[in-house]
Amino acid sequence: SYELTQPPSVSVSPGQTASITCSGDKLGDKFVCWYQQKPGQSPVLVIYQDTKRPSGIPERFSASNSGNTATLTISGTQAMDEADYYCQAWDNTGVFGTGTKVTVL
Amino acid sequence: EVQLVESGGGLVQPGGSLRLSCAASGFTFSRHWMHWVRQAPGKGLVWVSRINTDGSSTTYADSVKGRFTISRDNAKNTLYLQVNSLRAEDTALYYCARRSTSYSYGMDVWGQGTTVTVSS
Repeated sequence: SYELTQPPSVSVSPGQTASITCSGDKLGDKFVCWYQQKPGQSPVLVIYQDTKRPSGIPERFSASNSGNTATLTISGTQAMDEADYYCQAWDNTGVFGTGTKVTVL
Repeated sequence: EVQLVESGGGLVQPGGSLRLSCAASGFTFSRHWMHWVRQAPGKGLVWVSRINTDGSSTTYADSVKGRFTISRDNAKNTLYLQVNSLRAEDTALYYCARRSTSYSYGMDVWGQGTTVTVSS
């Protein structure tokens, strides 16, 4: 079955840039979404179709997808961005990445 | 207000069954594919199943295939997940989610989840 691998954790200082990778075989051939999940809350879609932001998602969230790696970048990270982040793609079925906890120190 | 509200979770013995429901409101339910996603305590998101707009096409994760059945009633604006032959590893918070028609395959609306606990 298809697998998406993310680093378990990323730490970032306020105002700095956080990058979260998502690795999968030929992932660049698939569309990737990214979801943010804060403790005790349901996930929120922050990126769709590799690079696009839904309405209401701040511009500091951006993403790319090429080769075997998709990357979510949070520029000027704020305390409110502290959360778990999951990449997601479609193979024959839906697949979520292993998740990355972003800590804003 | 666009909303999804899950119900039907509970404590069930191994081998038991439940029917989870997801009531949709605030949007045209029949125009959207729908998904079930689960999250075990302290763990990550796991995609479970999806159904197309009229219920004629369904897909399942390998881990639940043959045990879970997704369905929908567009007249009642409700999504269902029949979960049978439950195992301890099925213990999780089960979310329903809407596939967006605006944000290419993204799941743009999520419910708050319903908890399934499988234990003797």
